[in-house]
Amino acid sequence: ETGVTQTPRHLVMGMTNKKSLKCEQHLGHNAMYWYKQSAKKPLELMFVYNFKEQTENNSVPSRFSPECPNSSHLFLHLHTLQPEDSALYLCASSQEAGQGSYEQYFGPGTRLTVT
Amino acid sequence: ILNVEQSPQSLHVQEGDSTNFTCSFPSSNFYALHWYRWETAKSPEALFVMTLNGDEKKKGRISATLNTKEGYSYLYIKGSQPEDSATYLCASPASNDYKLSFGAGTTVTVRA
Repeated sequence: ETGVTQTPRHLVMGMTNKKSLKCEQHLGHNAMYWYKQSAKKPLELMFVYNFKEQTENNSVPSRFSPECPNSSHLFLHLHTLQPEDSALYLCASSQEAGQGSYEQYFGPGTRLTVT
Repeated sequence: ILNVEQSPQSLHVQEGDSTNFTCSFPSSNFYALHWYRWETAKSPEALFVMTLNGDEKKKGRISATLNTKEGYSYLYIKGSQPEDSATYLCASPASNDYKLSFGAGTTVTVRA
């Protein structure tokens, strides 16, 4: 596989469930990102990992918990979510974080619905 | 976080026509301007990263210009084709920061 992959593509979960989103990049990049896109809103950065270290938590509620076991894999663990957390969650990677001129490569996203 | 704005929000273009749309960003402490194309049910795809005032970049029928002094970039599509239908996003980091602030996008629909 090439590029950035995300699983699952669609997820429906109840507010008391625990689930995880997975992202994998095959580009040899050192930085990985989680973004959220709610309806009619711009992409919103949630977390950044650079060389497996978390460098950014953009005031994200603790019910979202990221994990980056290595530079190729990124997870977003979800628990006790709220209906307003329903959104498209995109993963991205770049050569490294620290240069605003590095283009980011995105996965196709996970469409999350919280019921 | 920067205030990045795109206009129009959407536009419809007849196949074969050319079109353009705008991305506005703060001109102070400019570092870079990114353009991405996002087709429905696919991944956003990088088109251009521009850093220099007056920069012009081209990929096939799509091109972009950059004016960092007045804080805007134009994306042009020449001879639009149905496969150009997508949402076009621009983004800019605050100074030399990897955190991109995205605009809301311009959705282009090309009618055959």
